[in-house]
Amino acid sequence: EADIYQTPRYLVIGTGKKITLECSQTMGHDKMYWYQQDPGMELHLIHYSYGVNSTEKGDLSSESTVSRIRTEHFPLTLESARPSHTSQYLCASSDIGTRQYFGPGTRLTVT
Amino acid sequence: RKEVEQDPGPFNVPEGATVAFNCTYSNSASQSFFWYRQDCRKEPKLLMSVYSSGNEDGRFTAQLNRASQYISLLIRDSKLSDSATYLCVVNGVGGFKTIFGAGTRLFVKA
Repeated sequence: EADIYQTPRYLVIGTGKKITLECSQTMGHDKMYWYQQDPGMELHLIHYSYGVNSTEKGDLSSESTVSRIRTEHFPLTLESARPSHTSQYLCASSDIGTRQYFGPGTRLTVT
Repeated sequence: RKEVEQDPGPFNVPEGATVAFNCTYSNSASQSFFWYRQDCRKEPKLLMSVYSSGNEDGRFTAQLNRASQYISLLIRDSKLSDSATYLCVVNGVGGFKTIFGAGTRLFVKA
């Protein structure tokens, strides 16, 4: 249904490693988002972008960073992973004022 | 106070029951409204948009009351497969801010 992809789907990595979570969409949407969600808990917006070279921090403070060099690509980077970063990370995209389409998510475990 | 508030749940209902979820929003300038469904460990997916005139999709009916800043979702003849978390979503003016509610969990039992 939705043309939005995330890789990897699952990642187990040791403390201190640098990781990049990939998100791509082929719908030409200007807006893209990253959410963090722990099991059974609510979604928290950590980053969003209105278009190329535009990035903003969301409502929940995060040690991650994002970039938007191309419309279709919105990667999230953690320079030094910690166990507190263990969570599910969901990417979404939308046109302005319309519904958001979500990717399948990346489940990250930092040991 | 949160910008979008939902019934905390969980709702535990038998198959065939009718269940209603409520959601209130604080920004009177909000422009578009949605209900999403999220299954355990999956991504949220759009269930239906919510229009001022109210709208229905099979067993699901959504209502919007702009004066009271209130959105509802009614599920009739509940199925086991309806068990999920239901998220109320509100878009701000120009769609530049999207707020997700915390979600209401529904368990439908045989």
